[in-house]
Amino acid sequence: DAGVIQSPRHEVTEMGQEVTLRCKPISGHNSLFWYRQTMMRGLELLIYFNNNVPIDDSGMPEDRFSAKMPNASFSTLKIQPSEPRDSAVYFCASSRRDRARETQYFGPGTRLLVL
Amino acid sequence: DAKTTQPNSMESNEEEPVHLPCNHSTISGTDYIHWYRQLPSQGPEYVIHGLTSNVNNRMASLAIAEDRKSSTLILHRATLRDAAVYYCILRDGNNYGQNFVFGPGTRLSVLP
Repeated sequence: DAGVIQSPRHEVTEMGQEVTLRCKPISGHNSLFWYRQTMMRGLELLIYFNNNVPIDDSGMPEDRFSAKMPNASFSTLKIQPSEPRDSAVYFCASSRRDRARETQYFGPGTRLLVL
Repeated sequence: DAKTTQPNSMESNEEEPVHLPCNHSTISGTDYIHWYRQLPSQGPEYVIHGLTSNVNNRMASLAIAEDRKSSTLILHRATLRDAAVYYCILRDGNNYGQNFVFGPGTRLSVLP
């Protein structure tokens, strides 16, 4: 299996621009998670989906952030408009099921820099 | 989620065993103990997990205290590739929809 695929791997944009991050989970996995990692706050869960339905988006910073999962093999995280404080590494992860003993498989991350 | 406490950093010599401790004194009976690690410039990767009994896999061993208030991740022979941040995480088996809460972890340095 190719693992979790994220694109782009690096993104540099200017403040105010729209940014879209993409994720393809492992085939057959029913749960998908978006995390953000910064030096100050570490790894934080932003939102997760179960069977393509958003279950918990309490970690989404504000209305500028939105996430969708139109089908089982694709998800997007959008920031509009972007701000310098959004600079971080964004990870997507997937698991077979949303159960406590299930392993989460992480993608390589998208490194976002907002100037 | 119950909270975990880990040392900020540890150091080991190559090819020696490493014992990474984790305290979780408020663990509940249904909490699974997960260990993940994050190599430089990579996403976190699964290492091992357990509930009550000690666990072994090709990467490591997990020793869980009898009262479950602490656990130790054991790398039997550290290699340079094992230099990473190691996260100890609890996840409630009775609470569907809970997710991993990553603390600061332990940064392991491996000396040649």
